[in-house]
Amino acid sequence: QSVLTQPPSVSAAPGQKVTISCSGSSSNIGNNYVSWYQQLPGTAPKLLIYDNNKRPSGIPDRFSGSKSGTSATLGITGLQTGDEADYYCGTWDGSLSAGIFGGGTKLTVL
Amino acid sequence: EVQLVQSGAEVKKPGESLKISCKGSGYSFTNYWIAWVRQMPGKGLEWMGIIYPGDSDTRYSPSFQGQVTISADKSISTAFLQWSSLKASDTAIYYCARHVISTRPPDYWGQGTLVTVSS
Repeated sequence: QSVLTQPPSVSAAPGQKVTISCSGSSSNIGNNYVSWYQQLPGTAPKLLIYDNNKRPSGIPDRFSGSKSGTSATLGITGLQTGDEADYYCGTWDGSLSAGIFGGGTKLTVL
Repeated sequence: EVQLVQSGAEVKKPGESLKISCKGSGYSFTNYWIAWVRQMPGKGLEWMGIIYPGDSDTRYSPSFQGQVTISADKSISTAFLQWSSLKASDTAIYYCARHVISTRPPDYWGQGTLVTVSS
């Protein structure tokens, strides 16, 4: 059971928008930066969003991040079949003194 | 270009020891933290622990404390994850990942090392 809660799956049609939530607590999301990762099948995770809402160079602006209180959200617009992947949120937990990840969300582009 | 290159897949028997590696390049290896992350078959990511190669300061997740040892050799820009006695439940892909700051999530990831433990 992950400390951060994500929906197991989300789906949407090509061209549409989807959001993925990540719920935590004051010991983690509430007081630390959140990152989001995309893991395509059979590959290593790739950084999509860091510091809650910043995109590394090379990440299209179709991907966005936000944080409010103890929750964070990843948004993806203009969905493409190539976006089908598992998405994870990650942050630090001050009570555990450890990094933590959400359980992951599988995105299906119908 | 920042790269983390991990050692190859391993097949071991229960009770055997193992040490896998992660070599950093394209950045100052001693100035960034390296974490290890486990992904069991079909499951999510689990943060195991972290090391600062500059001074070997090491921290472990409570779930992995005492189960593994994280080390680094800054002379060869390489971090290590080792087990003294493997169990079947250690079967997983292990990723190394770079942290700019220990309390911020990682940015760059290695390609992963598959460890299979089976009798």
